[in-house]
Amino acid sequence: ETGVTQSPTHLIKTRGQQVTLRCSSQSGHNTVSWYQQALGQGPQFIFQYYREEENGRGNFPPRFSGLQFPNYSSELNVNALELDDSALYLCASSWAGTGNYGYTFGSGTRLTVV
Amino acid sequence: GDSVTQMEGPVTLSEEAFLTINCTYTATGYPSLFWYVQYPGEGLQLLLKATKADDKGSNKGFEATYRKETTSFHLEKGSVQVSDSAVYFCALSDMEARNTGNQFYFGTGTSLTVIP
Repeated sequence: ETGVTQSPTHLIKTRGQQVTLRCSSQSGHNTVSWYQQALGQGPQFIFQYYREEENGRGNFPPRFSGLQFPNYSSELNVNALELDDSALYLCASSWAGTGNYGYTFGSGTRLTVV
Repeated sequence: GDSVTQMEGPVTLSEEAFLTINCTYTATGYPSLFWYVQYPGEGLQLLLKATKADDKGSNKGFEATYRKETTSFHLEKGSVQVSDSAVYFCALSDMEARNTGNQFYFGTGTSLTVIP
């Protein structure tokens, strides 16, 4: 079975721009969560998607938005980028029936805002 | 709210030394507890978990026991290897908190370096 794949692996954006990060969930998984990991910090929960709807959100502003597609893949969109948005963005997928016991994390997208 | 506190690093040990990384938590419900490991340039990998008080999670020689009375979940390994060098994250997830999407709350991570 394939794991969670994220793209791109690295990118650099200018303050004020918009960015879209992509995540393909592990085969058989129907729930996707996104986390932001600033340098030297633990990951912070952004939001979770289940059945193409947002199923929980952390303390992030509305300029962080997402989508989940019928094949359970997902996108994270960030508008009006700020320097503090520079971080590793992690996607994690799971099968809803197992809750958080079966989460698989991707390797992340390293976003640098200059 | 829910939170996790880990001992600060970095931690440097010689090969075959004993490892302890302390983790304490605060939770309003009945959380499950986890240890994740992150190798350089990679995402998070589940190391072990415990779902209720007094459960012991174990994997690859690592162990942690869910202690409700001390709200702790300390990670231990009897003899570390160079290949154990990584960042270790303690995390909790409250399975009852459905409205928050069963999110994980992570500690800040502890960097471990094992030298030959």
